[in-house]
Amino acid sequence: EPEVTQTPSHQVTQMGQEVILRCVPISNHLYFYWYRQILGQKVEFLVSFYNNEISEKSEIFDDQFSVERPDGSNFTLKIRSTKLEDSAMYFCASAGTSGLGEQFFGPGTRLTVL
Amino acid sequence: RKEVEQDPGPFNVPEGATVAFNCTYSNSASQSFFWYRQDCRKEPKLLMSVYSSGNEDGRFTAQLNRASQYISLLIRDSKLSDSATYLCVVNPDTGRRALTFGSGTRLQVQP
Repeated sequence: EPEVTQTPSHQVTQMGQEVILRCVPISNHLYFYWYRQILGQKVEFLVSFYNNEISEKSEIFDDQFSVERPDGSNFTLKIRSTKLEDSAMYFCASAGTSGLGEQFFGPGTRLTVL
Repeated sequence: RKEVEQDPGPFNVPEGATVAFNCTYSNSASQSFFWYRQDCRKEPKLLMSVYSSGNEDGRFTAQLNRASQYISLLIRDSKLSDSATYLCVVNPDTGRRALTFGSGTRLQVQP
């Protein structure tokens, strides 16, 4: 069964450092998403990406964040200068042709900012 | 008012019990509704979509009441493996595809 994969599974970084979280969505999907979940809190939408551009973003997704699809398979989330409050689980998701149905989530990257 | 509101639980039930979870959403224009399941420190996984007419998948039944902006999930004959957090999820707008999650209701099924 096709699945979304994410690397690394756990990333530890120092405050102020840049991190790149990587995702490989399901191969025939067209819509890509990043969500985050701070420990003990709900899953929150960050950004969606379609047709090589951002289609929606939340107020969490400020200038410190960026997304890219550098090739036909990878989808990345970059945090330019990490803050303590960026510590969270980051989930990548993808959806098929309409984007309105099920979103398939990857296993997540746990980001710890020290 | 929160966009998607759920009772956080936990619900502690014995094996074989029937348990019901409720959820309310604030945006009357919401179009798509889902129940996801999340195990501890894992990703959300779709349990079932929720349709206006109500739908059933084995031991799981989901209902939607658009007038009351209310969604429910019924689990019959609970198994130990049903222990998880159940997330009520809404796509709030036809123009958007971002999902809005509730905080989840934790279920613990005990032997």
